[in-house]
Amino acid sequence: SQKIEQNSEALNIQEGKTATLTCNYTNYSPAYLQWYRQDPGRGPVFLLLIRENEKEKRKERLKVTFDTTLKQSLFHITASQPADSATYLCALTYNFNKFYFGSGTKLNVKP
Amino acid sequence: EAGVAQSPRYKIIEKRQSVAFWCNPISGHATLYWYQQILGQGPKLLIQFQNNGVVDDSQLPKDRFSAERLKGVDSTLKIQPAKLEDSAVYLCASSSTGNKETQYFGPGTRLLVL
Repeated sequence: SQKIEQNSEALNIQEGKTATLTCNYTNYSPAYLQWYRQDPGRGPVFLLLIRENEKEKRKERLKVTFDTTLKQSLFHITASQPADSATYLCALTYNFNKFYFGSGTKLNVKP
Repeated sequence: EAGVAQSPRYKIIEKRQSVAFWCNPISGHATLYWYQQILGQGPKLLIQFQNNGVVDDSQLPKDRFSAERLKGVDSTLKIQPAKLEDSAVYLCASSSTGNKETQYFGPGTRLLVL
């Protein structure tokens, strides 16, 4: 089955800097890769989706890249704010019938 | 629009007891998912429904877990009997047929098995 790796160590950055989170996967490339935000005690919230034939996707301060050769996705938050502090999950799916989630990386943005 | 509703929010039971969780998806969403999220891990898909039919339940421990979605709206997930390792947050999510890309998650039910 698909294995997804996200950095288990928390990422601590200063407000205003760019946060970069990594999602690596094994096996064959998914058709779609998603990023979610999860706050403590709450369910994940969908942020962005990128397709296998897309290199980059942007939404406001968020940017996602997808490299099927490296089997890696990078998630960037520019001009980070303390309110961006949360756990960020990546998820892979081939046909929206099964989703494989990573364990998430906790982001701490310090004022 | 109202989000995905789940109840109860918290449940504490002893091992070998039974427990049931309820989910009400967003109105009109045909697809409903149940996930298990153990502390420090990502959500793991247990079962997916399309209307009232099961699309995938390959990761559902069928000897103790069961789920149903009668009438294709609300859904119930049951554990009988519970084990210590079932302690987790059980998340329900839904998506619409026209926008399968976006899953909307409920707040989850936090289960502690003692």
